[in-house]
Amino acid sequence: GIQVEQSPPDLILQEGANSTLRCNFSDSVNNLQWFHQNPWGQLINLFYIPSGTKQNGRLSATTVATERYSLLYISSSQTTDSGVYFCAVERRGSYIPTFGRGTSLIVHP
Amino acid sequence: GAGVSQSPSNKVTEKGKDVELRCDPISGHTALYWYRQRLGQGLEFLIYFQGNSAPDKSGLPSDRFSAERTGESVSTLTIQRTQQEDSAVYLCASSLGPTGSQNEQFFGPGTRLTVL
Repeated sequence: GIQVEQSPPDLILQEGANSTLRCNFSDSVNNLQWFHQNPWGQLINLFYIPSGTKQNGRLSATTVATERYSLLYISSSQTTDSGVYFCAVERRGSYIPTFGRGTSLIVHP
Repeated sequence: GAGVSQSPSNKVTEKGKDVELRCDPISGHTALYWYRQRLGQGLEFLIYFQGNSAPDKSGLPSDRFSAERTGESVSTLTIQRTQQEDSAVYLCASSLGPTGSQNEQFFGPGTRLTVL
C-alpha cells in the first residue's frame, strides 16, 4: 500500500510563530486532505488539496503531486492551533484513504 | 446542514459483551467510512460503504467486527465479545461520493469505547 510520512512528529511553538508541516507519500494520489484533530478529538477539515495551493486565513497548503509531497503552513500561530495535524491520501485507483501518523503541535501563550 | 453525528459519545463495557455504535452521515452523502483510532495513534480504516454497492470490509481486524448500512442512511458498527484491545475511539466519516472532490470526507465526533 501507499506510505504516508509526516514530519516533524512533534512541534512546540510560541504564540505568533510560523511553522511548516510536511507530508510525503510514496505513490500517485488522486485525493489529499489535511485535518486538524483538536484536543477534544474532533477532526476538522482544513484543505482538500490533491494539487496546487490553497489559502484559508492564517493557513495555507501546497501539494506538488509530481514530487509526492504536500506542505501545510501555519502563520502567526495561536494557542487554539494546538492539536494533531493529519495528512490523508488516496492512491490513484483507490477510494480508501491512508492517514499519516500526524504532527502533534503545541502552541504556548 | 447538520454534520456527521455518532452515538453514544462514550461507552464503557465489560470484556466479552457486545457493543453497537451508530453513525448518522450528512444527508445526501453516499459514501460512509468507519475508522479506529487507538490512543496516540493515527486512523486505521475499518470498512467503507458506497451507495448500494457491497461494502469494502478489508480493514476489519477480526470476525468479531461487523457493520451494516441501510441504503444511504444510518450505519451501525457492532463488536462482539469485546476484548480490552478493542478500546479506542471509533470514528465515522461521510462524503458526497467516491471520486475526486466528492470524496472530501467529513468526520463525526467519535465514540470512545473502553473495555474493562
